[in-house]
Amino acid sequence: DAKTTQPNSMESNEEEPVHLPCNHSTISGTDYIHWYRQLPSQGPEYVIHGLTSNVNNRMASLAIAEDRKSSTLILHRATLRDAAVYYCILRASNNAGNMLTFGGGTRLMVKP
Amino acid sequence: DGGITQSPKYLFRKEGQNVTLSCEQNLNHDAMYWYRQDPGQGLRLIYYSQIVNDFQKGDIAEGYSVSREKKESFPLTVTSAQKNPTAFYLCASSIYGGNGYTFGSGTRLTVV
Repeated sequence: DAKTTQPNSMESNEEEPVHLPCNHSTISGTDYIHWYRQLPSQGPEYVIHGLTSNVNNRMASLAIAEDRKSSTLILHRATLRDAAVYYCILRASNNAGNMLTFGGGTRLMVKP
Repeated sequence: DGGITQSPKYLFRKEGQNVTLSCEQNLNHDAMYWYRQDPGQGLRLIYYSQIVNDFQKGDIAEGYSVSREKKESFPLTVTSAQKNPTAFYLCASSIYGGNGYTFGSGTRLTVV
């Protein structure tokens, strides 16, 4: 699976939107973009995923660049409970084993 | 409610002893995975299993062993051959070929 690059950490103020960037310049045409987040001392939880079009769900939005070489996870209104490490992961559609490879992620700090 | 359960939450082991971490899921997921996480790091894949009675090594399988005798269960044994076993261990499951992982809440293993 192709590699992703994320900032090590970001800060946000409570109740403001947060844009978490992810670069994946070597993405292939069949790679899905996944986002997971991990709260302290817990297992990661699925946030959102997409292929080409922007995606929205109850947790977040995923904006995918037209060339698919980057994407942005958008939290529309950050809360203190959103403080976590956010992982951007690519998974090939022909990855029959369905394995996800986690990088270092972005540690999001939310200030009250 | 369906979910994935890891036990125990905390485990202490003396050097030279084997220890087994439990992972049970009632999601009817085909695939199960074990990851290791060291402080401030991302997750690394230890073993995975796509179907009962079959499993494959991940990136850091040395010093670990697994079994998959039932669809619901995927126990991980940390053997005395694992030189640095102190870590946070996470189990996950997914539908084969599906897009989302469900993670357990983890077991924190400390060698004393």
